[in-house]
Amino acid sequence: DGGITQSPKYLFRKEGQNVTLSCEQNLNHDAMYWYRQDPGQGLRLIYYSQIVNDFQKGDIAEGYSVSREKKESFPLTVTSAQKNPTAFYLCASRVQNSNQPQHFGDGTRLSIL
Amino acid sequence: KNQVEQSPQSLIILEGKNCTLQCNYTVSPFSNLRWYKQDTGRGPVSLTIMTFSENTKSNGRYTATLDADTKQSSLHITASQLSDSASYICVVSSRVNDYKLSFGAGTTVTVRA
Repeated sequence: DGGITQSPKYLFRKEGQNVTLSCEQNLNHDAMYWYRQDPGQGLRLIYYSQIVNDFQKGDIAEGYSVSREKKESFPLTVTSAQKNPTAFYLCASRVQNSNQPQHFGDGTRLSIL
Repeated sequence: KNQVEQSPQSLIILEGKNCTLQCNYTVSPFSNLRWYKQDTGRGPVSLTIMTFSENTKSNGRYTATLDADTKQSSLHITASQLSDSASYICVVSSRVNDYKLSFGAGTTVTVRA
């Protein structure tokens, strides 16, 4: 079945550590997105990519980095500069420039040790 | 600033009863509005999508309405089931920035037997 796979499901970060969240899709979508979800708030855009080897900052990019070396993959690194990383992270993809909805992965919950 | 406000924040209903969720938005120029269902610990799944010219859209027991003049939408759940317990998120897209969606904080629905 086509879909988006995020891993790991749960992740723990130590002080000063960088961690990388994986996102893989087999939907052949050009556009991919990373969101952060906090209790009581709407999803906030961290980074997005509309094409391979290109990505743009969203509203809350500070302390995060991404890469898009392959169409299928859009990993997110949470760096030690992100002082409040505890959240639920969602990856999404969609057909570019269409009314088709975004397809979401099942998220990674990141916590601080 | 584009905003999406949802109400109520949460509600509890008995199995078999109906309920209606509200979404008000200020996104302009409007492109489309989507309702997503998010089960606990999972990614959101699209229920309906409506463009400017559509004022109602159904998906099984879910019926969404849109009034683009007043910038309001509602999601009606008919004959609720225990599996309807989830968070329902309203998402609005602008014609200017197709990549950037505005997310509501969601309404948490709990269906009790």
